[in-house]
Formats: sequence, C-alpha cells, structure tokens
Amino acid sequence: GQQVMQIPQYQHVQEGEDFTTYCNSSTTLSNIQWYKQRPGGHPVFLIQLVKSGEVKKQKRLTFQFGEAKKNSSLHITATQTTDVGTYFCAGRPGNTPLVFGKGTRLSVIA
Amino acid sequence: EAQVTQNPRYLITVTGKKLTVTCSQNMNHEYMSWYRQDPGLGLRQIYYSMNVEVTDKGDVPEGYKVSRKEKRNFPLILESPSPNQTSLYFCASSQDRPGGQYFGPGTRLTVT
Repeated sequence: GQQVMQIPQYQHVQEGEDFTTYCNSSTTLSNIQWYKQRPGGHPVFLIQLVKSGEVKKQKRLTFQFGEAKKNSSLHITATQTTDVGTYFCAGRPGNTPLVFGKGTRLSVIA
Repeated sequence: EAQVTQNPRYLITVTGKKLTVTCSQNMNHEYMSWYRQDPGLGLRQIYYSMNVEVTDKGDVPEGYKVSRKEKRNFPLILESPSPNQTSLYFCASSQDRPGGQYFGPGTRLTVT
C-alpha cells in the first residue's frame, strides 16, 4: 500500500536545542497532518497543511509542506521537556485513506 | 467537553472469545475510524466510516468488523480474537474525511 516515510525514528536533544522531523511520500499528498503522542497517551492533532509550499507556525513549532506536496517537516525551536513524545505525520495520497508515518520519538534531556 | 470515549480501556481475553470495543463521540462528527498501534509499525487503519451505515476497509481489516448504526457510535467487533490481534486500539473522529482527527484514549487488548 501507500507509504509515508518519516525520519529520524528517534532523536535525543539537550533542552534548548532545535529539533526537526521529516516526512516523505513517493506520491503527491492531498494534505498532510501532524500529531503528537505523549508517552502513554493518545495522538493529538496539531495541524493540517493543504497548499503547496505552505508554512504554518504554532509558537515554537514550524510546519512546512513541500512545493511538490510530497514532503513535509516539523521544526521545534529551543526544545523544552514538555515537547517529549512521538510526532507523527499523516498524509492522504490522492483520495485514499489517511496513511500515518511511523513517527519520530523525541527525548529531551534537561 | 468534546471527546471520544472508548470502553473498555484494558482487556485481557482468550483466543476465540468474541468481544466488542465501543467508541462514542459527542462532536456530531461524520467521519470515524479505528486504528491499531503496534511497536515498529505505527498507526494502521482498520476500518473507517464516512457516515451512518457507510463503512469501508482500511489497511488491516482482516479479523475485524464494524458497524455505524448511529452517528455517535462506531463499535469494533472481534468475532474470534487471535493472539496477533494483541495491540493498542484507537478510535478517532473528525468533522469530515480530510479533517484532523480527535483520538480516543485507547484500548489495550491482550489475547492469550
């Protein structure tokens, strides 16, 4: 089936460092969504990007959707311990069901 | 409070014993779906529903059934559970298919 690849699988950072996770698809995505899952919790919807080249910000988080609508990134500036968790991208190749990436687990060392 | 609820939250059962995991949302959402989450495999969609009486298979539907008789409820049925269905299950809903999804708290199922 369709796949959405996400890298890296794990990332350990010192508090205050920046963090980026990347999402790639071999086919054009109609949209891209990002979710955060805290340890022991459930995925929480963060944002959706729809337009080619779109950039959205939420405080220290910056989300980008590539020009070709095949890739996306989430960048966190100056990480905090509250950012710990797994970040998932989810894309919809065409009119198909949503496909989730396997996630990037972020650890923040205080 | 807008929410998706699932019951039970934890369940240990034996192979072959039919079970149902309930899911309910209070946001009048049209789209609902079920996922399973397994280490190394991420979230995989089992079934989804675009509206009442409209359901369709996701990526891993084998061994599962669903129904959507009411807008707010979307139960997941395992007619004859097997150990490979041991997993963490999430129900989710959204206003429409393209929209961001609200996830329930999860149901951890163990089949022995």
